[in-house]
Amino acid sequence: DAGITQSPRHKVTETGTPVTLRCHQTENHRYMYWYRQDPGHGLRLIHYSYGVKDTDKGEVSDGYSVSRSKTEDFLLTLESATSSQTSVYFCAISAGPGRAGDNYGYTFGSGTRLTVV
Amino acid sequence: DAKTTQPPSMDCAEGRAANLPCNHSTISGNEYVYWYRQIHSQGPQYIIHGLKNNETNEMASLIITEDRKSSTLILPHATLRDTAVYYCIVRVPTGNQFYFGTGTSLTVIP
Repeated sequence: DAGITQSPRHKVTETGTPVTLRCHQTENHRYMYWYRQDPGHGLRLIHYSYGVKDTDKGEVSDGYSVSRSKTEDFLLTLESATSSQTSVYFCAISAGPGRAGDNYGYTFGSGTRLTVV
Repeated sequence: DAKTTQPPSMDCAEGRAANLPCNHSTISGNEYVYWYRQIHSQGPQYIIHGLKNNETNEMASLIITEDRKSSTLILPHATLRDTAVYYCIVRVPTGNQFYFGTGTSLTVIP
């Protein structure tokens, strides 16, 4: 998607290894998000960031950490990958709250398919 | 923590209007309703959003009940390319968070 890229697109890793997924944006948006998507669960929020070095937990944050050292990059790290973290991971960006009625909506990346074996 | 309820699946004949319902009975006064759709395994795409007035854009119309406890997304002339999973979302102002439920899988039938 224009303005947001995720890397890698696909990754297979072994249980217990660390994994880092990268989300890069060129829109200079304040907000960035990480979601995971699994069958039967839709998209679930893992972590989000509302500025450089400002992050907070979402609904399924256990086993994940994030970092945002500059506006354009938001990293998601699985410190010790488990099979339950096999999923498709989506990054999203948003300009954030503006005037009433503004579209605060998200732009999503193309996703990273992670398989933990 | 999804705050919306949608039927899991719906069918619609090609060329007819598709009406997708959503219940959000616990919505707060300052929370907007957003609709996104996801085609295959792509990232979700924005469709439309609203607070309390009906809204229309080039893709769809959004009808929100007066008590704001439910809404309906209308695709006026469904095409095969509208086959997708449609998510109704209430935006949480803190952190601009969007909590997706499991959505409605719409199948447009030729």
